[in-house]
Amino acid sequence: DAMVIQNPRYQVTQFGKPVTLSCSQTLNHNVMYWYQQKSSQAPKLLFHYYDKDFNNEADTPDNFQSRRPNTSFCFLDIRSPGLGDAAMYLCATSRPWTSGRDTASTDTQYFGPGTRLTVL
Amino acid sequence: LAKTTQPISMDSYEGQEVNITCSHNNIATNDYITWYQQFPSQGPRFIIQGYKTKVTNEVASLFIPADRKSSTLSLPRVSLSDTAVYYCLVGDICASGTYKYIFGTGTRLKVLA
Repeated sequence: DAMVIQNPRYQVTQFGKPVTLSCSQTLNHNVMYWYQQKSSQAPKLLFHYYDKDFNNEADTPDNFQSRRPNTSFCFLDIRSPGLGDAAMYLCATSRPWTSGRDTASTDTQYFGPGTRLTVL
Repeated sequence: LAKTTQPISMDSYEGQEVNITCSHNNIATNDYITWYQQFPSQGPRFIIQGYKTKVTNEVASLFIPADRKSSTLSLPRVSLSDTAVYYCLVGDICASGTYKYIFGTGTRLKVLA
């Protein structure tokens, strides 16, 4: 089945040691998103790509970077993880938004299962 | 960017209908209203989306009044497996042409036997 895949599902890293999380999709969607979700909190958007165009949220720390080498793959790099970066990291995809009221929206987001990051 | 307000938690019993209301007073003309369900240690899953009036699919109904300042997700005859967090989202159109969501706090639904 077409889906959003995240690897690894669980990642343990040490304080300050760079880590990369990966996301792949078979949906051929133009848009890919990275969210951070801490325990008992809502997902928080970090950034997203529309094709190769990168869109950073204003409050996303510089410690978080992303790469999208092709349509199918997107990576989240945490350059120097701190204890406060321990969280679930969610990747999502969608088709580009199109204007059209009363019609089926094309911007539904499809989420992967997430990668739970532990920082020791 | 439109913010959403939902009850923090709700309890229900199996077989009952559950209605979760979301307030979005600042919703913009172009915004859709979308609901997601999230189980522990999983990514959110799309439930339903609408723009106005009523939308129904195989799992839920979404009621949106004419002023669109609120919406109600209706889950018919809930079961224990419907215990989850439910998020109401409205979106924003980015300069890039994409459409991004800001998640609200969500409603933690607990279904009791």
